[in-house]
Amino acid sequence: ETGVTQTPRHLVMGMTNKKSLKCEQHLGHNAMYWYKQSAKKPLELMFVYNFKEQTENNSVPSRFSPECPNSSHLFLHLHTLQPEDSALYLCASSQGREPTEAFFGQGTRLTVV
Amino acid sequence: KQEVTQIPAALSVPEGENLVLNCSFTDSAIYNLQWFRQDPGKGLTSLLLIQSSQREQTSGRLNASLDKSSGRSTLYIAASQPGDSATYLCAVKDNNNDMRFGAGTRLTVKP
Repeated sequence: ETGVTQTPRHLVMGMTNKKSLKCEQHLGHNAMYWYKQSAKKPLELMFVYNFKEQTENNSVPSRFSPECPNSSHLFLHLHTLQPEDSALYLCASSQGREPTEAFFGQGTRLTVV
Repeated sequence: KQEVTQIPAALSVPEGENLVLNCSFTDSAIYNLQWFRQDPGKGLTSLLLIQSSQREQTSGRLNASLDKSSGRSTLYIAASQPGDSATYLCAVKDNNNDMRFGAGTRLTVKP
């Protein structure tokens, strides 16, 4: 248990569906991240939030929409996804701009059919 | 943009061997470097964090070093065990809080 919780753990959705991934941390961290991990590819940084403000968007398609309502919660809203979006989506948190560890959730395994 | 490279991509060793995993990064202006372990289908578990002002960190059989000027870090695993089999990832954090990862080294320790 790392203190970062992701739900759901597994998700199967059709290309026309809308779903959301949730990430929650109660570590007192003020930075949260979304990563995508596809088979045989490095972890891809998608979004970074510092103090609830989005500071990084790595050219992610608009069918992925992040939301950070407070420093403890992070969502990734999904709509009209493609099969190539199937991957493990990982959330992480850290104490921004301090030399402390980042912690990851267990991930959501997403399959788009 | 920071690029992180890990060598080798895969490594297979007999139990008991000492081994070294390598990580290199292109921009030396880092905030810290962190080594993680990932088991198949799971999230990442933090192993060691090295701050930019530090040269090394140790935890049990693990020792990580950092040479910021040359853009390199190594993870040394002593007396490897089958339970060490996993993918090892290094991540570099910059002053903007971005964390960039290498592709990882997949380690197999054979009994």
